[in-house]
Amino acid sequence: DTEVTQTPKHLVMGMTNKKSLKCEQHMGHRAMYWYKQKAKKPPELMFVYSYEKLSINESVPSRFSPECPNSSLLNLHLHALQPEDSALYLCASRPAWGRSNQPQHFGDGTRLSIL
Amino acid sequence: EDKVVQSPLSLVVHEGDTVTLNCSYEVTNFRSLLWYKQEKKAPTFLFMLTSSGIEKKSGRLSSILDKKELSSILNITATQTGDSAIYLCAVGGSVTGANSKLTFGKGITLSVRP
Repeated sequence: DTEVTQTPKHLVMGMTNKKSLKCEQHMGHRAMYWYKQKAKKPPELMFVYSYEKLSINESVPSRFSPECPNSSLLNLHLHALQPEDSALYLCASRPAWGRSNQPQHFGDGTRLSIL
Repeated sequence: EDKVVQSPLSLVVHEGDTVTLNCSYEVTNFRSLLWYKQEKKAPTFLFMLTSSGIEKKSGRLSSILDKKELSSILNITATQTGDSAIYLCAVGGSVTGANSKLTFGKGITLSVRP
């Protein structure tokens, strides 16, 4: 288990459903990340939040909508997803934006399947 | 575009062997190189390297960065079956100003046979 907690661990949803992924950390980290990882591929960055503000969006389709309601919590709202969006969604955090001497710590991920 | 290349892509060894995993990179404004181990779930952090020529060590694992050659190696001595995993190399570079993000290599799949 990691100090970055993601829920749910598994999610199966239809293409018309709306669901949310949740990520929580209580390490005081102020940079939080969403990644998508397909099988046998490395993580691909989706979004970066710095001090609760969106600072990087890697041209992610609008059916993925991130939200950072406070410094401990990061959500990813999902709507009208496609089967190719099935993947492991990883959340990560690190202590401070711009300080390069601190690594990102990952949660265990949410395994998402779109029917 | 930032690029990280790992080799070999997969490796099968026997318990007790020593392995060397390679990572090379081309990144704008290099800040750091990180190694992660990924089994079934989250990548777990192993090492972060920022200075060339300084070896980081943790038990049977060690890593070193060569900024001149734009590369790093991860060594595992006396391998155990529990070392079987995907080893990810990631490099942090600047996007704009103080912003930084990680670019990952494809990973090296290591299988340690008993």
